[in-house]
Amino acid sequence: NAGVMQNPRHLVRRRGQEARLRCSPMKGHSHVYWYRQLPEEGLKFMVYLQKENIIDESGMPKERFSAEFPKEGPSILRIQQVVRGDSAAYFCASSPPPIQHTGELFFGEGSRLTVL
Amino acid sequence: GNSVTQMEGPVTLSEEAFLTINCTYTATGYPSLFWYVQYPGEGLQLLLKATKADDKGSNKGFEATYRKETTSFHLEKGSVQVSDSAVYFCALSDRPRGAAGNKLTFGGGTRVLVKP
Repeated sequence: NAGVMQNPRHLVRRRGQEARLRCSPMKGHSHVYWYRQLPEEGLKFMVYLQKENIIDESGMPKERFSAEFPKEGPSILRIQQVVRGDSAAYFCASSPPPIQHTGELFFGEGSRLTVL
Repeated sequence: GNSVTQMEGPVTLSEEAFLTINCTYTATGYPSLFWYVQYPGEGLQLLLKATKADDKGSNKGFEATYRKETTSFHLEKGSVQVSDSAVYFCALSDRPRGAAGNKLTFGGGTRVLVKP
């Protein structure tokens, strides 16, 4: 499967625990994006990253949320001390290097976080 | 800043009916425009796109025309099927040429339910 891979697909956490969501971009893609979808709402941009570099994190909450895209391995969205309001679907998308980029993003199937 | 406004759902139709979902946008520059579709429990899939004024994107019987004068990108399908039941998202990308990566700005989504 050459698509964007996200795991876990479903994650349940209790308030105060940490959630880690992983995303492997499509082969050959250099940029990763994270979006959040609250129940019955649209997608809200959080952050986009290149390997070892955050390009734009203007949509990230100021506290408890962080993202990384290391040189080796998947991108990780980390939520510390989760609260019920963090319950949402978190979607990762990827795009190729600029010279090949047609503007569209390729999305994974999402990770659905439930905070009890 | 950029924004996308689309009609609120849910939209309920009978099979073979005509579907229109309105989408208007606000952007600086000359954005590319997209329609994504999200089937239940899945991630977003690109349905169609248009990169400049008067372009028409089409796929699976769906069409949308990039209208710069009205800043619109309405989605249409002449005869819907039950399998078209999904949430449809209008989005724009304002990535400058040659820029590294981009983030899409999404509308709130429109849920479409097609009944047999």
